[in-house]
Amino acid sequence: QKEVEQNSGPLSVPEGAIASLNCTYSDRVSQSFFWYRQYSGKSPELIMSIYSNGDKEDGRFTAQLNKASQYVSLLIRDSQPSDSATYLCAVPGSARQLTFGSGTQLTVLP
Amino acid sequence: DTEVTQTPKHLVMGMTNKKSLKCEQHMGHRAMYWYKQKAKKPPELMFVYSYEKLSINESVPSRFSPECPNSSLLNLHLHALQPEDSALYLCASSQDRDFQPQHFGDGTRLSIL
Repeated sequence: QKEVEQNSGPLSVPEGAIASLNCTYSDRVSQSFFWYRQYSGKSPELIMSIYSNGDKEDGRFTAQLNKASQYVSLLIRDSQPSDSATYLCAVPGSARQLTFGSGTQLTVLP
Repeated sequence: DTEVTQTPKHLVMGMTNKKSLKCEQHMGHRAMYWYKQKAKKPPELMFVYSYEKLSINESVPSRFSPECPNSSLLNLHLHALQPEDSALYLCASSQDRDFQPQHFGDGTRLSIL
């Protein structure tokens, strides 16, 4: 059974700080990893995909993947109140299924 | 703007009603999904369609009946639902290959009276 664990939070950071969200996964054959952002009452929005070891940067967001440690993280630099949301780590498997972590609720305090 | 469109956005129905949720995607994807999401929980997979054929049914009760009329449309027919079925119902689509991200619609907020 594929498992994805996230630090469930809630996580609060001041505006302008770096928010760090973490996820570990159990399936060593996983090839790609996704971060979704979900605002309260809205649907999940894909914000980052990462397929290889190392860092991937997109604006204020950086995804980091370490396959040996089975660990993926999302860093949000210069956090803004508009970043306040639940962040879901997702790991795809066979048969097109996505396994989601439980989500980390982030609050950025003005 | 999302390229996966769901209607209606909100639905209130009684336990004896029959209704349908609709989903349309314009991304050229050949895999489509239905999820159920309760408050403060991650999405829970219900059904997967691959090339218009049902490939996964995650032991969903028969009061939920999916249908894929063509490669861009996905329906979820509802009948005799229970109050515990109240949730956000999400449609998603992806390329029909391994390890691809899924793109979600805005969802239908369903309330069962």
